Amino acid sequence: SQKIEQNSEALNIQEGKTATLTCNYTNYSPAYLQWYRQDPGRGPVFLLLIRENEKEKRKERLKVTFDTTLKQSLFHITASQPADSATYLCALDNTGGFKTIFGAGTRLFVKA
Amino acid sequence: DAGVTQSPTHLIKTRGQQVTLRCSPKSGHDTVSWYQQALGQGPQFIFQYYEEEERQRGNFPDRFSGHQFPNYSSELNVNALLLGDSALYLCASSSEQGGYSYEQYFGPGTRLTVT
Repeated sequence: SQKIEQNSEALNIQEGKTATLTCNYTNYSPAYLQWYRQDPGRGPVFLLLIRENEKEKRKERLKVTFDTTLKQSLFHITASQPADSATYLCALDNTGGFKTIFGAGTRLFVKA
Repeated sequence: DAGVTQSPTHLIKTRGQQVTLRCSPKSGHDTVSWYQQALGQGPQFIFQYYEEEERQRGNFPDRFSGHQFPNYSSELNVNALLLGDSALYLCASSSEQGGYSYEQYFGPGTRLTVT
């Protein structure tokens, strides 16, 4: 069955450092991959989308890579800030947006 | 510009009852998806509505049904509630562009507790 794996353990880093989150998937060939941010008690917020034919995508302090051979995406936050503390969700789709599958998310804590 | 709105915010129901949750999409969006999110888990896709029809469905029983109205708003109905249906129910809207609906805007969710 299709499976998306994100680090279940929380990631703790110091302010100013780069946070790197991992998303691995199996039995799936997504046309594109998305990353969302979710704060406690709130709905997810879209951050970035990367297509299968793209290797890397950047937006301000965020960078996403997508390796379809390794079946892996890496999500980087550079110069991290305490305000970046949240849960980050990886989401895959190969239906043109008709059915999106989410990972369980990784909790990030950035310490001042 | 109002984003995605959901009602009610919280709801407590008894096992066996029925519940209806409501969602209004972001202005300009025509596609609505519903998700169930258990504590500590990612959102699980329930179904998606477009042009008032269910376009895709996840692995949820027929107790979960929905509807989309001409103004694009949507309802999620759950019959014969089970304790395991307790979760945060999220509505997400997107815009169909050239056959694709990528970026989703989520509402704040409805917290359903079944006792």
